[in-house]
Amino acid sequence: KAGVTQTPRYLIKTRGQQVTLSCSPISGHRSVSWYQQTPGQGLQFLFEYFSETQRNKGNFPGRFSGRQFSNSRSEMNVSTLELGDSALYLCASSGGGGLNEKLFFGSGTQLSVL
Amino acid sequence: GENVEQHPSTLSVQEGDSAVIKCTYSDSASNYFPWYKQELGKGPQLIIDIRSNVGEKKDQRIAVTLNKTAKHFSLHITETQPEDSAVYFCAAPSGGSYIPTFGRGTSLIVHP
Repeated sequence: KAGVTQTPRYLIKTRGQQVTLSCSPISGHRSVSWYQQTPGQGLQFLFEYFSETQRNKGNFPGRFSGRQFSNSRSEMNVSTLELGDSALYLCASSGGGGLNEKLFFGSGTQLSVL
Repeated sequence: GENVEQHPSTLSVQEGDSAVIKCTYSDSASNYFPWYKQELGKGPQLIIDIRSNVGEKKDQRIAVTLNKTAKHFSLHITETQPEDSAVYFCAAPSGGSYIPTFGRGTSLIVHP
């Protein structure tokens, strides 16, 4: 089975621009979560989608948004980029969307905002 | 919400030694405790997990212990090897939550 695939691997943007990141979960997985990882803050939860619906949301401003498609693929968008948005963005999928399921992470998208 | 504290932030050992990483959590309703290993340039990968109905779980050189009364759990790696060098994260979801809270991570360095 193919793992979680995130594209692109690297992105360089300038302040004020917007960016879209993509995540393809493991085949058959219906839950997709997004995390921001920085050296100072560790792994911070952004949001989680299950069956095309946002089920949980972390404490990030409205500039961060996401969606999930009928094939479970997910995208996240960051508008009006700020320098502090530079981070590794990780996507994780799990199977049935139940409690206490194992998370499978992709390799992430490294975003640099200049 | 859940609060997870992880110690130490950095751990340096000689090859063959044992390594122990500890985490404490705040929500007594939490009942699932996974550990993830993140190698350079990769995402975190689940290496072992434990549920609250057991006190210890082993998988070859790694083991996790859980003390529900004290609300802490630990990762034990025996006979460490250079390839064990990575950042390790503990996690715990609040009871009834789909979302785990992660510890800040421990950078393990195994010197040959």
